[in-house]
Amino acid sequence: DQQVKQNSPSLSVQEGRISILNCDYTNSMFDYFLWYKKYPAEGPTFLISISSIKDKNEDGRFTVFLNKSAKHLSLHIVPSQPGDSAVYFCAASPWTGNKLTFGGGTRVLVKP
Amino acid sequence: DTGVSQDPRHKITKRGQNVTFRCDPISEHNRLYWYRQTLGQGPEFLTYFQNEAQLEKSRLLSDRFSAERPKGSFSTLEIQRTEQGDSAMYLCASSPRTGGVETQYFGPGTRLLVL
Repeated sequence: DQQVKQNSPSLSVQEGRISILNCDYTNSMFDYFLWYKKYPAEGPTFLISISSIKDKNEDGRFTVFLNKSAKHLSLHIVPSQPGDSAVYFCAASPWTGNKLTFGGGTRVLVKP
Repeated sequence: DTGVSQDPRHKITKRGQNVTFRCDPISEHNRLYWYRQTLGQGPEFLTYFQNEAQLEKSRLLSDRFSAERPKGSFSTLEIQRTEQGDSAMYLCASSPRTGGVETQYFGPGTRLLVL
């Protein structure tokens, strides 16, 4: 039973445009959500997080939106840059500090 | 701050051999996590420690797997009698206990290939 799903395995976007990555979850106990970026042969790098008391969190070019009623979150990257080409994972946890449950990832390709 | 380090970065072994991986967390991070990632999948939780106490183990962690964090600093993950299905990237992460948001920071991983 996949509790966190990223239904788009890949995404291609032009440099300078917006990248929108989506993530759905089924476990209503999840209260804390994170996005990680991963390059080949490296560990995941933390990007941004959000807790369920918020519906939006922004950090530079990255914004995460959370819709608790729909059990859906999204990551917006504006503007997209070639260095953003990587695999992006969303992850969820019942509370901060607890184990993370990851989605399957979305591979993003930003074309110059 | 040097980040989470893992050793070795790559390991090739023959089926049936034992392997041990080491993880050094970020200094003063009291929580340490192990995850496993196979090709095309997201990382899956294996186990985690708060200081030297192992607080949770996944059902993925069969009796051939054991993890320790003897002094609450570095951790080791041992796999006995390796099987080809153990081939994966083994990731370690650490987080501080701040009372607020506790982000997990990952190391570069150890890639295991069982022949």
